[in-house]
Amino acid sequence: GNSVTQMEGPVTLSEEAFLTINCTYTATGYPSLFWYVQYPGEGLQLLLKATKADDKGSNKGFEATYRKETTSFHLEKGSVQVSDSAVYFCALSNSGYALNFGKGTSLLVTP
Amino acid sequence: EAGVAQSPRYKIIEKRQSVAFWCNPISGHATLYWYQQILGQGPKLLIQFQNNGVVDDSQLPKDRFSAERLKGVDSTLKIQPAKLEDSAVYLCASSADRTGRNEKLFFGSGTQLSVL
Repeated sequence: GNSVTQMEGPVTLSEEAFLTINCTYTATGYPSLFWYVQYPGEGLQLLLKATKADDKGSNKGFEATYRKETTSFHLEKGSVQVSDSAVYFCALSNSGYALNFGKGTSLLVTP
Repeated sequence: EAGVAQSPRYKIIEKRQSVAFWCNPISGHATLYWYQQILGQGPKLLIQFQNNGVVDDSQLPKDRFSAERLKGVDSTLKIQPAKLEDSAVYLCASSADRTGRNEKLFFGSGTQLSVL
């Protein structure tokens, strides 16, 4: 079946540190991959996406590259800010089925 | 544009009671989803509607959960009777996508249910 596995949190970083949140997936065929973010007190919102192998999704300084050979979609940001503190969810969609989410990774950025 | 509206924001009930949640999606969005998010886990799909028809309800516990989307707009999700393990945040999401590719979902803030 379709599933995603992401690294356990919480992740605590100092402001301006480099961020990586690992995500790997299991799926048949060619799924689309997503990162959603949930800021404190807000609903989930799409951060970035990639729909085919080697695509790079990017938004707000975050990037993730769809790696079919390693079945991965790791989220990266070169310099995190306090405002990036949130819970990040990796997700996939396959063959028209609804999004399948990972468990989420909580990020706390300290000044 | 207005986002996905959900109510109530919080609900506390005792086990075996019934409860209903309401969702108003973004205007014009054909697809509506209900997800259940248990603390510490990612959202799990309960049911997906395309207009007022059900696309996927394979993970909906049909002995106690029911959902409807009248006229292809608002939707209600009901639990009757509730169990302790139903304590979770119930998220409604909508999408303008009509192709089933599910590329961008807009989520409401959710209803936090506590079953005592």
